[in-house]
Amino acid sequence: AQRVTQPEKLLSVFKGAPVELKCNYSYSGSPELFWYVQYSRQRLQLLLRHISRESIKGFTADLNKGETSFHLKKPFAQEEDSAMYYCALSVPGGYNKLIFGAGTRLAVHP
Amino acid sequence: DSGVTQTPKHLITATGQRVTLRCSPRSGDLSVYWYQQSLDQGLQFLIQYYNGEERAKGNILERFSAQQFPDLHSELNLSSLELGDSALYFCASSVAVLAGGSVADTQYFGPGTRLTVL
Repeated sequence: AQRVTQPEKLLSVFKGAPVELKCNYSYSGSPELFWYVQYSRQRLQLLLRHISRESIKGFTADLNKGETSFHLKKPFAQEEDSAMYYCALSVPGGYNKLIFGAGTRLAVHP
Repeated sequence: DSGVTQTPKHLITATGQRVTLRCSPRSGDLSVYWYQQSLDQGLQFLIQYYNGEERAKGNILERFSAQQFPDLHSELNLSSLELGDSALYFCASSVAVLAGGSVADTQYFGPGTRLTVL
């Protein structure tokens, strides 16, 4: 079965420090990977998806099929980055349903 | 603002009762998805509709059902409620469903309905 693992429940960093939110998945084929962000009391928002290869708000993520990972990175964290981050997986033929990881709370301290 | 709306925002009810959660997708989106977010299970896919037809089912209990109406809004019906059904229920929408394709359609989420069962 497909699964997404986010090993860290909480990641606490200082402003200006690099950030890496880990995401590993289990799927033998070619999945699509997404990062969603949920700011306090707001809805889930798409941050980025691997096929677009965009950098949003300074965040990037590279799909590593060999390591089955899709880690989210940002070189310099900002206080406004504090939020819940969810990694999600969609598989071909899966009717677009998303399989989410448990989420990582990022806390950026001044 | 993604445009997906959900009502009500909060719902408090008792065990054994039945509730209906409503979702209106973004204008032009034909697919609607329902997800449940609970402390112990995280975010889990429940069910999906495309243009009025059920397309995929996830971990949805038999006590739960859903439908999508001709105007494309969707309702999630939860019956014989138990304490464990307390959760945040999200609706998401996307333009289309690409069942056999290799590119997933971006889903846009609503603000959620928080259900508390006492």
